[in-house]
Amino acid sequence: QLVLTQSPSASASLGASVKLTCTLSSGHSSYAIAWHQQQPEKGPRYLMKVNSDGSHSKGDGIPDRFSGSSSGAERYLTISSLQSEDESDYYCQTWGTGIRVFGGGTKLTVL
Amino acid sequence: QVQLQESGPGLVKPSETLSLTCTVSGASIFSYYWSWIRQPPGKGLEWIGYIYDTGSTNYNPSLKSRVTISVDTSMNQFSLKLSSVTAADTAVYYCARDGGLDYGGLIYWGQGTLVTVSS
Repeated sequence: QLVLTQSPSASASLGASVKLTCTLSSGHSSYAIAWHQQQPEKGPRYLMKVNSDGSHSKGDGIPDRFSGSSSGAERYLTISSLQSEDESDYYCQTWGTGIRVFGGGTKLTVL
Repeated sequence: QVQLQESGPGLVKPSETLSLTCTVSGASIFSYYWSWIRQPPGKGLEWIGYIYDTGSTNYNPSLKSRVTISVDTSMNQFSLKLSSVTAADTAVYYCARDGGLDYGGLIYWGQGTLVTVSS
């Protein structure tokens, strides 16, 4: 079964960096994922695609502060030079034949 | 610029059918997968299902018995029907489009519409 696991919460200081993790279920470590940001009271916004080889491609207008990487079954979203507006929920998402799957989301607090 | 806009009643009675439409502008509805996603208050995102321009569909197994997604290519719209709703179906409902070319990442999202199930 295709499942994505995320930590429920994370925190980091203003101006610092943070790395969020999304883990693919056993047998699915070759899958690419997408990262989405959901600011408070807003709809989700697509950030980027992260491939199993660690390469990533960002959506239009996504700042350079956002980057993606991979290691085994883990996919990462790194945000550098944290700003107050980065305080959001972050969801990873993947897909297979006939299915789309979301992780449970990570709530990022900027201290 | 691709834009998606959900529309439909904001209040549905228990046991009735929830009906929503997503209107697509700035792009053709052809050659992409079009999804419905929902988010109950304070909770995470749940994929409901998708449709292709041919009318081919796939649904979340947990909702499959109650969901119908259809497409109207002449209107550049696709629709969601969810039957026998209960309070647990209260959520913000989003429509979204895949990246295409075997990329199932949801690139474009609507702003969402809140549907409350209550008598």
